[in-house]
Amino acid sequence: DIQMTQSPSSLYVSVGDRVTITCRASQTIGTYVNWYQQEPGKVPKLLIYGASNLQSGVPSRFSGSGSGTDFTLTISSLQPEDFATYYCQQSYTTLMFTFGQGTKLEIK
Amino acid sequence: QLQLQESGPGLVKPSETLSLTCTVFDGSISSGNYYWAWIRQPPGKGLEWIGSFYSGGSAYPSPSLKSRVNILGDTSKNQFSLTLTSVTAADTALYYCARGGRGLRDAGRFDYWGQGTRVTVSS
Repeated sequence: DIQMTQSPSSLYVSVGDRVTITCRASQTIGTYVNWYQQEPGKVPKLLIYGASNLQSGVPSRFSGSGSGTDFTLTISSLQPEDFATYYCQQSYTTLMFTFGQGTKLEIK
Repeated sequence: QLQLQESGPGLVKPSETLSLTCTVFDGSISSGNYYWAWIRQPPGKGLEWIGSFYSGGSAYPSPSLKSRVNILGDTSKNQFSLTLTSVTAADTALYYCARGGRGLRDAGRFDYWGQGTRVTVSS
């Protein structure tokens, strides 16, 4: 199985901060990474697919990058509604998908 | 706008079988070459992919759950279902159904999710 390891597990941040979340795959996976946001008590929402493609309707302050084993989700200027948990997910292995453990953004 | 809705019992006894249904609204599970998935989230924990279903009739369970999972589709009702046998407390979770992408390479791109249904395994 491909393991996805996110860092950090939690991050204390302020509105307006530039935030970077990292995800590392246990083997090379090209650009087959998706990122999801889950606000407290809500359903996960797809933000980024294929490592760097912004899902329709997602604000442009979100961006993704990376290939191979190392991937990054960046929020350019954190907004109040962005305090949530973020998950990376690999879709490289056909129909064997795994998620990272999540990164929780908390108010500093 | 596509909507998905999970349904099923909220309480299941240990060793019994968990059965859930996902009904799809404003979209068809049998068109567009989409994959459909079950994903769960134990209380306070992260997301776990359980398995996916393709409207052609094929099911793809997670290797870690393969011996206990079955996923079926009912195109006449625009539904797909999950059965998980021999449940234990470790299967207590919020269970989501979701739409994956078109075609095999995008099957893991989950863009529409149901609201989730909470299942507790307890005697």
